[in-house]
Amino acid sequence: DSGVTQTPKHLITATGQRVTLRCSPRSGDLSVYWYQQSLDQGLQFLIQYYNGEERAKGNILERFSAQQFPDLHSELNLSSLELGDSALYFCASSVGGSQHEQYFGPGTRLTVT
Amino acid sequence: AQTVTQSQPEMSVQEAETVTLSCTYDTSESDYYLFWYKQPPSRQMILVIRQEAYKQQNATENRFSVNFQKAAKSFSLKISDSQLGDAAMYFCAYNNAGNMLTFGGGTRLMVKP
Repeated sequence: DSGVTQTPKHLITATGQRVTLRCSPRSGDLSVYWYQQSLDQGLQFLIQYYNGEERAKGNILERFSAQQFPDLHSELNLSSLELGDSALYFCASSVGGSQHEQYFGPGTRLTVT
Repeated sequence: AQTVTQSQPEMSVQEAETVTLSCTYDTSESDYYLFWYKQPPSRQMILVIRQEAYKQQNATENRFSVNFQKAAKSFSLKISDSQLGDAAMYFCAYNNAGNMLTFGGGTRLMVKP
């Protein structure tokens, strides 16, 4: 158990819908990262927040957005869902900075039908 | 942009034997961090080992060790005394001041009893 929690574990929804994925980082960690793992794209970095502020952005679609709240939990919002958005979405957390290990949550499996 | 390459899509090893998984990366940075993550069938991403680029000494964690060749930009993982529980996907990852992890495509390790 990494100490990072993600909800829900599984999500099945239809195209065009909007969903919210939630992540709680390990106690004491200020950085939260979101990654997408799909069969064709592999593991890709989406976005990072540090202590409530956006720190880095990767290959995140405009239909996707995220935020980190004062209690440091984070939410990833996916809208206008397409079949290709079906993937495993991971949240990871770290103390902060590239030298620190990132600990991953169990992931949310999103299926868009 | 940094890239990480794992040239072995699949590897197999006999239980109790030793296996080495390969990873190469491309970067123009001099200060960075390298990681190996394990992803068992449960899909959880588990940190196995990390290496700081400024350290010449290879990292070790119990049965896991790395061979870090900075000039060759190579970062291989050696698993000694392989166990059935080692069967998983293994991902090599790179991190520098950008904080995001860049992952290789993964190597599926099978352990034969």
